Amino acid sequence: NAGVTQTPKFQVLKTGQSMTLQCAQDMNHNSMYWYRQDPGMGLRLIYYSASEGTTDKGEVPNGYNVSRLNKREFSLRLESAAPSQTSVYFCASSEADGGGETQYFGPGTRLLVL
Amino acid sequence: KQEVTQIPAALSVPEGENLVLNCSFTDSAIYNLQWFRQDPGKGLTSLLLIQSSQREQTSGRLNASLDKSSGRSTLYIAASQPGDSATYLCARGSQGNLIFGKGTKLSVKP
Repeated sequence: NAGVTQTPKFQVLKTGQSMTLQCAQDMNHNSMYWYRQDPGMGLRLIYYSASEGTTDKGEVPNGYNVSRLNKREFSLRLESAAPSQTSVYFCASSEADGGGETQYFGPGTRLLVL
Repeated sequence: KQEVTQIPAALSVPEGENLVLNCSFTDSAIYNLQWFRQDPGKGLTSLLLIQSSQREQTSGRLNASLDKSSGRSTLYIAASQPGDSATYLCARGSQGNLIFGKGTKLSVKP
C-alpha cells in the first residue's frame, strides 16, 4: 500500500516549456487535490476533483490544467511554464469531500522554472 | 475571505517541555479542523482531525482542541522529544477543500 505517489520528484524547466506532474493513489479514494507550497504563502489549492469525472478550480488555478484520468490518477499540466510557477507541488487524496475528511499527501514534486 | 493564522511562526523548546501551538480561523461555519506535521523536504502527515461537533481529539502525546465560538484551535504536545521537531500546520475544512495556515516550525533541543 504505497498511499499517494508523485512523479517526478524534481524537475527543472525553461520558461515556456510544458510538463505534466503525475499523481496516483491506491487507497480507493474518491477525491484528489493539487496544492502548491511557497515560502511565506503556505499551501494553496490549485485544482481538485471531488469524484472521478469532475474537476474544479481552487484558489490559484491560472496557468494550470488538470485531468482526472481515472479514480486512481490525477495529473497537473503546465502548458507554458513561468518562473512564478517555481514551487513545491503536492498531490493529496481523501475518501470523500476533502473539507470533511482527512487528506493524505504525496511526497511532493520540486519544480524550478528558469 | 476565510483565513487561518498560526502563532508563533517558530518555537524552540528544551526536550521534555510541554507546549501549545495555536491556530485561529475566521468564520465558525467549518466542517472540521485538522492538524498536520511536515518534516523538511517531505509531504504532510495528518495528526488529528476534530469534527465541528467535537471539542477535542487525542492521539498519544498529542491533544487538539477546538473552540468554534472563538475561532481557535490548540495542539498540545506533552513531554516533547527531539523527534517532534517539524513544522506543524493547521487547516480548516470547508466544503470542497482545506484552508491552511502557514505553520509553526518547532525545534526541540536535546
